Amino acid sequence: AAGVIQSPRHLIKEKRETATLKCYPIPRHDTVYWYQQGPGQDPQLLISFYEKMQSDKGSIPDRFSAQQFSDYHSELNMSSLELGDSALYFCASSPRDRAGNTIYFGEGSWLTVV
Amino acid sequence: AQSVTQLGSHVSVSEGALVLLRCNYSSSVPPYLFWYVQYPNQGLQLLLKYTTGATLVKGINGFEAEFKKSETSFHLTKPSAHMSDAAEYFCAVSRITGRRALTFGSGTRLQVQP
Repeated sequence: AAGVIQSPRHLIKEKRETATLKCYPIPRHDTVYWYQQGPGQDPQLLISFYEKMQSDKGSIPDRFSAQQFSDYHSELNMSSLELGDSALYFCASSPRDRAGNTIYFGEGSWLTVV
Repeated sequence: AQSVTQLGSHVSVSEGALVLLRCNYSSSVPPYLFWYVQYPNQGLQLLLKYTTGATLVKGINGFEAEFKKSETSFHLTKPSAHMSDAAEYFCAVSRITGRRALTFGSGTRLQVQP
């Protein structure tokens, strides 16, 4: 079965650079979530989208922005990167923005800021 | 605001022993509850979830959890641990209305000793 696809899987950036992460949800899923998981920490919601509109906003810094496109894929743009942004970034999708629906996670994108 | 607390950041059991991972939730109304597993360097995989109906929920890999409203708990159990169960386990909660994204607990790392 198709899963959530994230790219790139690994990237290394220097401080103050910009990075873009891409997420392709499971087909027919219209809700996308972005989570950040720091080393040894639990995943924290950054932002979510339902039908291309922002649905939930978590602890997303002002330096970050995200959007969901007409084909439901999503991109997370991160600018002015800081060392503390080094983390595992998960994208997840679900069939509808409805509580209780299973949320499926991708393998994650490892970002290292040096 | 809703939250979950996982008691014990590390749990070690012998192979074949009972696995018990504790999760308590805090919410003004009973939420939806989930258990996810994360193997090293991998994404999050849903083990089981409770939304409505039967309070004893069976999941994959022989795991089950029981929703106890009176104790605000959703503990995860498995009768007999296997070496392959060694992983990080996250309890998560979502509201039944409004904000629907998952809020995770701090995680419990399960070690299985031979």
